[in-house]
Amino acid sequence: EVQLLESGGDLVQPGGSLRLSCAASGFTFSNYAMSWVRQAPGKGLEWVSVISGSHGSAYYADSVRGRFTISRDNSKNTLYLQMNSLRAEDTALYYCAKTQIAVVVPSTYFDCWGQGTLVTVSS
Amino acid sequence: SYVLTQPPSVSVAPGKTARIPCGGNNVGSKTVHWYQQKPGQAPLLVIHYDSDRPAGIPERFSGSNSGNTATLTIGRVEAGDEADYYCQVWDSSSDRGVFGGGTKLTVL
Repeated sequence: EVQLLESGGDLVQPGGSLRLSCAASGFTFSNYAMSWVRQAPGKGLEWVSVISGSHGSAYYADSVRGRFTISRDNSKNTLYLQMNSLRAEDTALYYCAKTQIAVVVPSTYFDCWGQGTLVTVSS
Repeated sequence: SYVLTQPPSVSVAPGKTARIPCGGNNVGSKTVHWYQQKPGQAPLLVIHYDSDRPAGIPERFSGSNSGNTATLTIGRVEAGDEADYYCQVWDSSSDRGVFGGGTKLTVL
């Protein structure tokens, strides 16, 4: 059974940093691109970033480019999101999501999701 | 950047058919996926590749995609189908994932 368990969410002040983790199990982690998707309170889904399975190619939403860095450790079956220069508008539930293939393709979708970790940016 | 547009809400009586549109510029040339999200839960993939159902998704769920509109259709709607539904594409021109704004399905 595929399982994704996010952690690292917290209350942080504007301008601060946070690192989210997503521990994966139940599948060959390195064979799949992985993504972060966020959802602000009461709002819709917003795609944040994706990283390929082994080559490390990464893509970002314009709203986080230059502030967030996605990475992965295939030896630990773990996905990360380093979040710097946090803003109030980054407040959201952050989901880790598995894609259907190792590389990012025009048909990329998210077939399994974790339960999310909450990031609150406030002074 | 590419935009997907969904109506904020759709209402349907039990046993009837619900249709949730997802509009985008020439979205028919892209591959559309659909997610269901119930309150307090993570999203669940219900349709991929425009019209395919993942394992475990009832046959009542179907999808289509042509021109400027993709549509999620839910037949014989049940109270348990009440949820938010999101369409999604990958925009290859900008290498970005894109979600529609979501549609709240209310079962009357």
